[in-house]
Amino acid sequence: GAVVSQHPSRVICKSGTSVKIECRSLDFQATTMFWYRQFPKQSLMLMATSNEGSKATYEQGVEKDKFLINHASLTLSTLTVTSAHPEDSSFYICSASVPGGGNTIYFGEGSWLTVV
Amino acid sequence: AQRVTQPEKLLSVFKGAPVELKCNYSYSGSPELFWYVQYSRQRLQLLLRHISRESIKGFTADLNKGETSFHLKKPFAQEEDSAMYYCALSGRAAGNKLTFGGGTRVLVKP
Repeated sequence: GAVVSQHPSRVICKSGTSVKIECRSLDFQATTMFWYRQFPKQSLMLMATSNEGSKATYEQGVEKDKFLINHASLTLSTLTVTSAHPEDSSFYICSASVPGGGNTIYFGEGSWLTVV
Repeated sequence: AQRVTQPEKLLSVFKGAPVELKCNYSYSGSPELFWYVQYSRQRLQLLLRHISRESIKGFTADLNKGETSFHLKKPFAQEEDSAMYYCALSGRAAGNKLTFGGGTRVLVKP
């Protein structure tokens, strides 16, 4: 199946700093990628839909200035958590839909963010 | 608004016993339903989707539009089935975005 890769898998940053998480589709071009957030023992919450070459569409309640999403190419989307706070600590997961794949979604391995 | 409900947070069964994970949904339109599985320390992966009407790893799920359910079943659970299972819904009315249920942890005991 298609492969989606995230980097880094784990990152620790200080409060007030910004951190970038990358999501790449390795063997296909993804016009649409999705960013989720998952708290421990909870389900995935969709944060935003990332569209190549255009602005991301954010879900209600997600601060677009806090979570900057850039989808500059068909194989890369980035999520930047700006001015990070400890409450931003979470597991962030990206996914991508395969064009012509009948709405099949492939997930990255996720990125653990810890803000200290 | 679309919603997916998985009423059981934890299902514990013995090896060889049947297991059924419940999933109910609400959606105005024709939904597409999925089951995703997350094994320990691995990424989320698609288990099956209702339009395929297939059996994967012995699991089956039937979409019941009357009851708005998409329960996942396996007649004989195996220890390697222990994982986190998520029911998810997608549909054109919501821009094909996936909405996940809260997840059910399955523990298969030897």
